Amino acid sequence: DAKTTQPNSMESNEEEPVHLPCNHSTISGTDYIHWYRQLPSQGPEYVIHGLTSNVNNRMASLAIAEDRKSSTLILHRATLRDAAVYYCILRDFGAITQGGSEKLVFGKGTKLTVNP
Amino acid sequence: GAVVSQHPSRVICKSGTSVKIECRSLDFQATTMFWYRQFPKKSLMLMATSNEGSKATYEQGVEKDKFLINHASLTLSTLTVTSAHPEDSSFYICSATRGGRLYGYTFGSGTRLTVV
Repeated sequence: DAKTTQPNSMESNEEEPVHLPCNHSTISGTDYIHWYRQLPSQGPEYVIHGLTSNVNNRMASLAIAEDRKSSTLILHRATLRDAAVYYCILRDFGAITQGGSEKLVFGKGTKLTVNP
Repeated sequence: GAVVSQHPSRVICKSGTSVKIECRSLDFQATTMFWYRQFPKKSLMLMATSNEGSKATYEQGVEKDKFLINHASLTLSTLTVTSAHPEDSSFYICSATRGGRLYGYTFGSGTRLTVV
């Protein structure tokens, strides 16, 4: 079962910032927080990940609460191409498969609508 | 880098026939590949984990005799849907990783299977 909770949907206007929340109150000390997004009729794509400190990359920023029980994905200026379902996933090192790679389990995600 | 190619992108087949879907890691060696299916407006559901040279590990409720997975090389995994039925119509997505904690997961663009 997914260990994260996200709102089902959110709306934003183009060129405005978007804050996508994620709750993960049962996170363990070795869980990394990963964000993926899925555009319509495509496979998911990696957005960002972090452990404790806030992270920035060219796509987004990730703000992690001090107690790590929640995090927020920040899109600084939403574009129409950012309309997608955003998944917050804990990378569970406890579920390591035979080959040493843990499973990535998806929750329901947040469907982001960007209005022109 | 880290590109995963999935083929075909769309396939229509008759009920009772078999369909093979290929997943290739183009620029890295994938020690582990994952297969997901996704129904409309639903999240990704993990079907199986495939390690190169080993038998796939199937998730609970997934019929291993119906969904045959082969991971014969470090760059190729295949999913064969045998004796397909209309209820097998879905969006199938593969994912690949080099393995270990340092590397992320790259997803294919998905295969839309329609069984008529």
